[in-house]
This record gives sequence, C-alpha cells and structure tokens, in this order.
Amino acid sequence: GAGVSQSPSNKVTEKGKDVELRCDPISGHTALYWYRQRLGQGLEFLIYFQGNSAPDKSGLPSDRFSAERTGESVSTLTIQRTQQEDSAVYLCASSLAPGPNYGYTFGSGTRLTVV
Amino acid sequence: DQQVKQNSPSLSVQEGRISILNCDYTNSMFDYFLWYKKYPAEGPTFLISISSIKDKNEDGRFTVFLNKSAKHLSLHIVPSQPGDSAVYFCAASYNFGNEKLTFGTGTRLTIIP
Repeated sequence: GAGVSQSPSNKVTEKGKDVELRCDPISGHTALYWYRQRLGQGLEFLIYFQGNSAPDKSGLPSDRFSAERTGESVSTLTIQRTQQEDSAVYLCASSLAPGPNYGYTFGSGTRLTVV
Repeated sequence: DQQVKQNSPSLSVQEGRISILNCDYTNSMFDYFLWYKKYPAEGPTFLISISSIKDKNEDGRFTVFLNKSAKHLSLHIVPSQPGDSAVYFCAASYNFGNEKLTFGTGTRLTIIP
C-alpha cells in the first residue's frame, strides 16, 4: 500500500482483557517498529523487527506485551490482561532499511483505552 | 529519565515570523537527531535531520541547528505558515544508524494568521 496502515484506529477494552493491534507496513520496507505515546509523554520505543533477524524487544514494558511479524509484512502487537496504564496511542512505523537516517514512515496509530 | 527534553509544551507565533523550537538532550552518545511533525489523528511525519558531524542543516523553510557542547538543538521555521501548526517532536539516536529513536514530549506550535 501507499502508507503504513494500522487497525483498529480506536479500541476500547475492559481491564483484564487481551487486545491485538495490527500493522501493515509499506511494501518492501524491511524494518518495522512499534512505539507508543501515553498522554503528555513522548513516543516510547517498544519493539523492532528487521527481516528474519531476532526482534529487538528491549522496549517492551512487561511480559504481557508481545509482537510478531510474518516475514517482511504484517505485524501484530498483543497485550494480555490489559491494565489502565496501557492506555495510549500505539504507533507502527516502517523503513526501507534499518536506521533512522532512512526515515521512518508512521501509521496513524491505534488509540487504546482500557476502562 | 527523560534523555530528550522539549521544555516548551506550546508556542504561538504570528504568521510570517520565525518559529524556533528547542530541544535538549542528556546522552552524549546521541549522534543523529531528527524532527518530526504531527497533525491530530495522524502519525508523525519526518521533517528534517542532522548528524553530529554537522552543526546546521537546511531544507527550504526549515533549518536545524546543533550545538553539541550545549547538548542542544533547535528547529527554525521561517517564514511560519498556518499549515505549520502541529506538534513537533525532537528525536535522537546513537551509534549512527541505530534503529531506536528516543523522542521528546513534543511542542505544540500554533501559527496565528
């Protein structure tokens, strides 16, 4: 597609439920990143995928968070047993190659609200 | 520990004048800096970047200045236009080409017609 697509755009869930967020990167982009932005804060790195290499999960805040990517296409971010502090906008980005100097293209994000 | 700081949450500037957005960082390992612009309900879009080997980079109306000794960078927009109204994020990375970006909290710029 022309841009990075994320779904759903909005998600309201009850505390304790699991949620799955989806990201379709730009075709041909080998690198894929997940960030989140909580209210009043900057974007926070979560996880990075590059081709078939092991993902860099160093930003995941707890073991309730996991992510997968199929080859160089779709990625899903799963949050188990959601908590209110998980409420945030979750942003996916892709780039042609690793490294910010290639320029990330961000999706519009999924706004997650845990009630 | 906020390694990239944007101390002004908001800024209002008259149309046609210069907008100056500031960013400070604490990690001396950072060697690549970027500015992103974000409109409501959209993802951030890349605006301009600078590597630590330079102290200035210019692209049209946008110029980024880097002062390594002060660990400070700024984005100048001149002349400011109504379409520049957005939230601006400063971001940094280290080990040139490293994948992760560390972002500031953003500055909301409002251009007054």
